[in-house]
Amino acid sequence: DAGVTQSPTHLIKTRGQQVTLRCSPKSGHDTVSWYQQALGQGPQFIFQYYEEEERQRGNFPDRFSGHQFPNYSSELNVNALLLGDSALYLCASSSGQEPNYGYTFGSGTRLTVV
Amino acid sequence: GIQVEQSPPDLILQEGANSTLRCNFSDSVNNLQWFHQNPWGQLINLFYIPSGTKQNGRLSATTVATERYSLLYISSSQTTDSGVYFCAVVGETSYDKVIFGPGTSLSVIP
Repeated sequence: DAGVTQSPTHLIKTRGQQVTLRCSPKSGHDTVSWYQQALGQGPQFIFQYYEEEERQRGNFPDRFSGHQFPNYSSELNVNALLLGDSALYLCASSSGQEPNYGYTFGSGTRLTVV
Repeated sequence: GIQVEQSPPDLILQEGANSTLRCNFSDSVNNLQWFHQNPWGQLINLFYIPSGTKQNGRLSATTVATERYSLLYISSSQTTDSGVYFCAVVGETSYDKVIFGPGTSLSVIP
């Protein structure tokens, strides 16, 4: 049973560029949440997708956008990258039918903006 | 929104020692999980424990929802226990939005 898969594992981008990160949820899960974890801090909630729509959003600017596909996989897009966007980006999946049962996290994408 | 505090922020243990990590939260929760983040960044789900007590090997956890705290116990610590331990909650009024605490950084030395 595959867990949550994220790609790429590492990425280096230049300020002002755009980036797309990808996530495939655990088998049987239909809800995907994205988190940003800066060095030495806990993960911060970016947004959550369920039934191909953004269901909740944290305190992140519109430069952060996402998408969920019919197969439940998801993308996180960040436009006009800033140095402060350098972080570990984590994807978590869960079941919309059992939202409080628990979350499974991927290994993350480490983004460095130079 | 709901606030999550964890203590202590840092902990250094000799191998074989026991420890207790604490998580306080400011409002009622539907969901509480303990995670271990290894040095490579992977978050491993240790317990889903919105209330009650659970045990898994050398680890156990207790959540007292009415008093808004949770404890994670690590017994006979091993060097592989090193990493950061996070408490994460979903508040009753923040449907499905997981809020993480700041974490406890644990170092187990031989």
